[in-house]
Amino acid sequence: DVKVTQSSRYLVKRTGEKVFLECVQDMDHENMFWYRQDPGLGLRLIYFSYDVKMKEKGDIPEGYSVSREKKERFSLILESASTNQTSMYLCASRSRVYEQYFGPGTRLTVT
Amino acid sequence: KNEVEQSPQNLTAQEGEFITINCSYSVGISALHWLQQHPGGGIVSLFMLSSGKKKHGRLIATINIQEKHSSLHITASHPRDSAVYICAVPLYGGATNKLIFGTGTLLAVQP
Repeated sequence: DVKVTQSSRYLVKRTGEKVFLECVQDMDHENMFWYRQDPGLGLRLIYFSYDVKMKEKGDIPEGYSVSREKKERFSLILESASTNQTSMYLCASRSRVYEQYFGPGTRLTVT
Repeated sequence: KNEVEQSPQNLTAQEGEFITINCSYSVGISALHWLQQHPGGGIVSLFMLSSGKKKHGRLIATINIQEKHSSLHITASHPRDSAVYICAVPLYGGATNKLIFGTGTLLAVQP
């Protein structure tokens, strides 16, 4: 079974803190994605990576950065967390036949 | 205009009922995804299909590429089917093929 894991299910941070969300997949997938999910807006793509050290901006990259130093790990970084970044964050990886596998999600609250 | 539209947005059914959720899209695709998200949970991929019909247990997904329409059917619905169902299509271009998501259908199956 493909497994995509995320470092935390729930996270509470203060405004201005630096936040790291970690995602690990165990199927040697090249492509990995970070989404945020908000009520009424659905899933929106923040960043994606198609190889180690390669990254591209998604639809809403402002306020976020990413890191992909190893193939299995894709990190999302909030340099200075703000309350409007309170959301559910979902990581996904994708096989060569385009099936996406999602992690369990991290519910981040910024106070 | 959304490139992927789902209907209905909310659906309440009685246990045992036959349920249909619809997805229409305006972009050209080669495959469509149906995803399931239980309350507070992560996202699970149910189907990826590019033509015809796929069946998994009580779930059936159909797609008509010419009409740009897909349906997800649930036979003999059960309260454990209560979840958000999301359809997604890949948007081709760039180094990878990102998914465009519908806003989801919230299904509640009452006993």
